[in-house]
Amino acid sequence: ETGVTQTPRHLVMGMTNKKSLKCEQHLGHNAMYWYKQSAKKPLELMFVYNFKEQTENNSVPSRFSPECPNSSHLFLHLHTLQPEDSALYLCASRSGELFFGEGSRLTVL
Amino acid sequence: GIQVEQSPPDLILQEGANSTLRCNFSDSVNNLQWFHQNPWGQLINLFYIPSGTKQNGRLSATTVATERYSLLYISSSQTTDSGVYFCAVNAGGTSYGKLTFGQGTILTVHP
Repeated sequence: ETGVTQTPRHLVMGMTNKKSLKCEQHLGHNAMYWYKQSAKKPLELMFVYNFKEQTENNSVPSRFSPECPNSSHLFLHLHTLQPEDSALYLCASRSGELFFGEGSRLTVL
Repeated sequence: GIQVEQSPPDLILQEGANSTLRCNFSDSVNNLQWFHQNPWGQLINLFYIPSGTKQNGRLSATTVATERYSLLYISSSQTTDSGVYFCAVNAGGTSYGKLTFGQGTILTVHP
């Protein structure tokens, strides 16, 4: 238990579906992150939020839409995804040391 | 941006062997972390070590910030040590900037 909880852990969706990934942290951190990890590849930073404000968007396609309603919650809204978007999506939070959630494994059919 | 290189890319060991993993980085850092990613994808924090030496059981780490490298030592390896080991660094002056990850070292420990 790292203090960062992600749901769902597994998600299968069609290309026309709309779904959301949820992340919640109980560590009192002010920074939250979304990372993507495709098979056999290193982690790719997607978004960074500090104090609920987006401070980094790493050229992520608009079919991925993040939302940070408060410092403890982070969402990743998904719509009209492609099969190549299938990956492990990892949420993290940080105040000094970075802590990850267990990840949401997404499959796009 | 800062570059992070890990070596070796792959490492195969027999149970009980010792190993050293290396992380080189291209600029001064104020945060360096080592992670272990298990076969289920979970990233586990091993060390938060921007400088100095730390030990935790069979694992230890040393960061020489002035020479821009960090080493992770695994002694008496076990099959459960298998997985991918990542080094990540942050060069900014804040506690909430992005971390840049290395490509990882894939460790396989055979019984």
